[in-house]
Amino acid sequence: GAVVSQHPSWVICKSGTSVKIECRSLDFQATTMFWYRQFPKQSLMLMATSNEGSKATYEQGVEKDKFLINHASLTLSTLTVTSAHPEDSSFYICSARLVGGQVSPLHFGNGTRLTVT
Amino acid sequence: QKEVEQNSGPLSVPEGAIASLNCTYSDRGSQSFFWYRQYSGKSPELIMSIYSNGDKEDGRFTAQLNKASQYVSLLIRDSQPSDSATYLCAALNDYKLSFGAGTTVTVRA
Repeated sequence: GAVVSQHPSWVICKSGTSVKIECRSLDFQATTMFWYRQFPKQSLMLMATSNEGSKATYEQGVEKDKFLINHASLTLSTLTVTSAHPEDSSFYICSARLVGGQVSPLHFGNGTRLTVT
Repeated sequence: QKEVEQNSGPLSVPEGAIASLNCTYSDRGSQSFFWYRQYSGKSPELIMSIYSNGDKEDGRFTAQLNKASQYVSLLIRDSQPSDSATYLCAALNDYKLSFGAGTTVTVRA
């Protein structure tokens, strides 16, 4: 089945620093990847849609200058949390859908647990 | 109104029983529906997808869809302790997948 790899699986950083999270589709091409955030005991909230070769589309309330998304190839999207603060501590999960699979399900990476101290 | 709503749970069932999970969605334009299982601290794992009205069975799981009622359900037969997890209902409209808050299921041995 389709595999999405996310790295790192966890990271601890100091307040004010930046953290980059990578999301790779390992056995398929993904023109679109999605970044979610999940706080404890809450559901997944879509942050942004990452489009290969173009700008990401951010959901309402998500700061595009704080959460930088780059989708440079059909197999890699990155999310950079800039100037991280403790309130950014969360579980970040990327996902992807097979190219051309408009109605197909999302395949999720294993997630990155970010802790900002 | 949330786009996808699930019965809040938690749901506790004895081992071997049927667990019944319900989900409603507000957007009639939603085309596809999915059930994901999420263990604590892990990312969601797809367990069922359903696209047309009726039932769809896969092993011990049965998904039901009623688009007229905007209702999706998931039955887990012969529940096992390993089924203890949070189950997320998701509805797809265009490219956007909206998730419910999840129902936590505990299967008692």
